[in-house]
Amino acid sequence: EVLLVESGGGLVQPGGSLRLSCAASGFAVGGNYVNWVRQAPGKGLEWVSLFSPDDSIYYVDAVKGRFTISRDNSRNTLYLQMNSLRVEDTAVYYCARGDILTHWGQGTLVTVSS
Amino acid sequence: EIVMTQSPATLSVSPGERATLSCRASQSVGSKLAWYLQRPGQAPRLLIYAGSTRATDIPAKFSGGGSGTEFTLTISSLQSEDFAVYYCQQYNKWPYTFGQGTKLEIK
Repeated sequence: EVLLVESGGGLVQPGGSLRLSCAASGFAVGGNYVNWVRQAPGKGLEWVSLFSPDDSIYYVDAVKGRFTISRDNSRNTLYLQMNSLRVEDTAVYYCARGDILTHWGQGTLVTVSS
Repeated sequence: EIVMTQSPATLSVSPGERATLSCRASQSVGSKLAWYLQRPGQAPRLLIYAGSTRATDIPAKFSGGGSGTEFTLTISSLQSEDFAVYYCQQYNKWPYTFGQGTKLEIK
C-alpha cells in the first residue's frame, strides 16, 4: 500500500524558514515522480515543485529561488526547504506521487504570519 | 503558463441526476488532462487521467471526455458523497496547472 505522511508545518514569521518532510512507503521516491502541491485556505490547488525519476527538478515561478526540493532515497523521504517565507505562502502543503497525482498525503499546514 | 478555466464555478444538481463539468485549456494539452475530487477536510483524489481513463477503484459513473483544449467530466446518478469540489489539471507542460475548481452542490 502506498502511503505518504507529511510533517514539519507550523507557524513562522515572514522571512523565516521551514523544512517539510514527506515519508513515503509502498514505493521508492527515487524511482518516481514526487511532488509538492499547496492549497491556500479556502482556495484552489497550486503545484509547487516536481522531482522527476531522471533527477530533473521544476518549481513554480512563485517559489523559485526560495524553495528547494530534495529527496533522501535511503530514508525514502521527500523534503521541501522553504526560505524567505511570505504571508502568501500560507497553505496546506501536500506531497503527492506521480506526474498524474495518484497518491496524496494528508497535508501539513504552514502559516506565515507576524 | 497554461491557464485552465473551469465552468461553472458552482453547479447545483439534485441527487440522482447527472452533472457535467467543463474545463478549458488556454492552449492544447493533448490528452494530458486529469480530474480530481476534493471533499471538505480531505486531500484531493484522482478520478480521471489521460482525459478519459478512470483511476483505480473509480466507478463507471464518472466519465471524462475531450482533447486539445476542451474537456468534460460527467457524473451520473449523483449521491451525497459526490457533492464536493472538482479540479481539472494539465500535465502536458510545466508548470503543471490546475483549474480553479467547480463546486458541485446539492440542489
